[in-house]
Amino acid sequence: QSVLTQPPSASGTPGQRVTISCSGSTSNIGSNTVTWYQHRPGAAPKLLIWSNNQRPSGVPDRFSGSKSGTSASLAISGLQSDDEADYYCVTWDDSLNGVLFGGGTKVAVL
Amino acid sequence: EVHLLETGGDLVQPGGSLRLSCSASGFLFSSYVMGWVRQPPGKGLEWVSGISGNGYSSYYADSVRGRFTVSRVNSKETLFLQLNNLRADDTAVYYCAKALNYYDTFDSWGQGTLVTVSS
Repeated sequence: QSVLTQPPSASGTPGQRVTISCSGSTSNIGSNTVTWYQHRPGAAPKLLIWSNNQRPSGVPDRFSGSKSGTSASLAISGLQSDDEADYYCVTWDDSLNGVLFGGGTKVAVL
Repeated sequence: EVHLLETGGDLVQPGGSLRLSCSASGFLFSSYVMGWVRQPPGKGLEWVSGISGNGYSSYYADSVRGRFTVSRVNSKETLFLQLNNLRADDTAVYYCAKALNYYDTFDSWGQGTLVTVSS
């Protein structure tokens, strides 16, 4: 079980908004920025959000990130079939002195 | 364009060793933190290790500390991961990744190399 807690699954219909939560603690999310990755089967993971809410060039503004206290969230608006993938929250942990990945959330587009 | 190519994955017996390599191109290799992330079959992504641009600082997940060693040769633009005393639960696809800035922010990834630990 991961130190960063994500729901195992989330779903929505095309066009809907889906939000994925990521819960941590003071030693990780509470003290450091959060990164989000998208991972489709058979492909390399893709950077979606870094520094809580920054999008790399090329990532649509349908994807947005936020952080409050020891929790973070990723929102996907205007859901598309192409968004079906696993999504991971990631951050540094000061106690472990290493990087933590959340357990991942599988997003399904119904 | 950034390109990362992992090699070295193989079938190895429990207790055995393996060295993974990651050949990089398309960026100033020595200026960037690099890392290894793995994905066991049917499971999620797991950070394994990270190393600073100059190679002087390295970090490990608790699950591999003392058994795995990360290193780099900047003159050859190559990242390595030495895997010793391998266990069945080390079976995974191992990805090499380039950091954008922090140790947890990887903006480029390789396609991965499969390590299978089984007798």
